[in-house]
Amino acid sequence: DVKVTQSSRYLVKRTGEKVFLECVQDMDHENMFWYRQDPGLGLRLIYFSYDVKMKEKGDIPEGYSVSREKKERFSLILESASTNQTSMYLCASSLVGIYYGYTFGSGTRLTVV
Amino acid sequence: DQQVKQNSPSLSVQEGRISILNCDYTNSMFDYFLWYKKYPAEGPTFLISISSIKDKNEDGRFTVFLNKSAKHLSLHIVPSQPGDSAVYFCAASDQAGTALIFGKGTTLSVSS
Repeated sequence: DVKVTQSSRYLVKRTGEKVFLECVQDMDHENMFWYRQDPGLGLRLIYFSYDVKMKEKGDIPEGYSVSREKKERFSLILESASTNQTSMYLCASSLVGIYYGYTFGSGTRLTVV
Repeated sequence: DQQVKQNSPSLSVQEGRISILNCDYTNSMFDYFLWYKKYPAEGPTFLISISSIKDKNEDGRFTVFLNKSAKHLSLHIVPSQPGDSAVYFCAASDQAGTALIFGKGTTLSVSS
C-alpha cells in the first residue's frame, strides 16, 4: 500500500527550539508539499518541492525552511519555534501534473509551549 | 486574498438525504478542481475531481458540478451516510500545475 509517512503524530516543543518534521513517501513522486491546517483557515501551503534540492515558497513560509536531499524525503524545519506555530502539519506528495491529486500523510500535531 | 472560498463552515444533513457542498473561486486561470475529505487525526484523502472542460463528473454517490461562468462548483452526495461525516475541502490548480490551493473546508455532519 503506497503511502506518505510523517515521523511523529504528536509533538510538544518549547518556544525557541529548532524543530524538524520529517516526511517520507514510497511512491517515487516528484512533488512534495508541506501544509498547515488551522481551524477556520483551512490548509495553507508552507513550502513545496519539485525535485531533489529544489524548493519553492508557498503562501506562509515565514519562520520555516525545508530540506530535500533525497527524492523520497522532505523535511520541514522550524528555525525557532513560536507559539503561533502550534498547528496540524500535513505533508503530501504527487506525480508531476496536479491532475493526479495529492497523497497526504496522517499529519503531525505540533504544540509549542 | 482568498482564491478558493467555501462560505459554509458547516452543514448538517439527515441520513439518506442529499448533501450539497459549495465552493467559489476567483482565479479564472484555474483549470482543475478537486475535492478532498478529511477525518479527524487523519490526512485528507482525494474524493473526486473535474477538469474545466467538463461541467459534471460522477463517481458513485459523489457528483461534482462546475459552472465556469459563475466560478462555482458543488459536490453532491446522494444518499448521504453517517460515514460521510467529515471535513470537505475544495481545491483548485491553474494550468501551470503548481501547488493546489485549498478552501477553508466545510464540516459535514450526517445524522442517522
